[in-house]
Amino acid sequence: GAGVSQTPSNKVTEKGKYVELRCDPISGHTALYWYRQSLGQGPEFLIYFQGTGAADDSGLPNDRFFAVRPEGSVSTLKIQRTERGDSAMYLCASSPGGAGANVLTFGAGSRLTVL
Amino acid sequence: GIQVEQSPPDLILQEGANSTLRCNFSDSVNNLQWFHQNPWGQLINLFYIPSGTKQNGRLSATTVATERYSLLYISSSQTTDSGVYFCAPGKGSARQLTFGSGTQLTVLP
Repeated sequence: GAGVSQTPSNKVTEKGKYVELRCDPISGHTALYWYRQSLGQGPEFLIYFQGTGAADDSGLPNDRFFAVRPEGSVSTLKIQRTERGDSAMYLCASSPGGAGANVLTFGAGSRLTVL
Repeated sequence: GIQVEQSPPDLILQEGANSTLRCNFSDSVNNLQWFHQNPWGQLINLFYIPSGTKQNGRLSATTVATERYSLLYISSSQTTDSGVYFCAPGKGSARQLTFGSGTQLTVLP
């Protein structure tokens, strides 16, 4: 697509529920990133995919968080047993290979609220 | 990890004014990007500027990597420039970027 698309744009859930957030990167971009942004802060890195594999998941806060990218395009961030502290904006970004590999293009984000 | 300090944290300008935003970082880097986050939360990449100077319309940026700082200049500001400006330096690839806490810019009509 023309840009990075994230769905849903807003998600309200109850503590303990399971949540999936979806990211559709720019067509042809091989690298995909998930970030989390709390109110008043800059984005924090969660996980990075190069193709289908998670090349770096060092930013995932705990084992309740998991992400997949089975066909090397769309990615899903999965959060189990949500907690109120998971409330944040979840941002997805993609980047191409080659000379532009280090330049990020972000989606509009998915705002998660855990009640 | 890299420590990033952005200043000022908040800035209020009258439309038409010029401004300079500063980003200091604690370590040598070979990747640095500036982003604008609009009031709806969308992050827009303004510059990829690990060193040197770039200009894009009313915006320009300069990074002096040896002195560990970067500057973003906004000239003839417009109300649509309002939002948060983030600096994100890093070593190597994009996944190693560390975002600062941002400068909240408000441009008044």
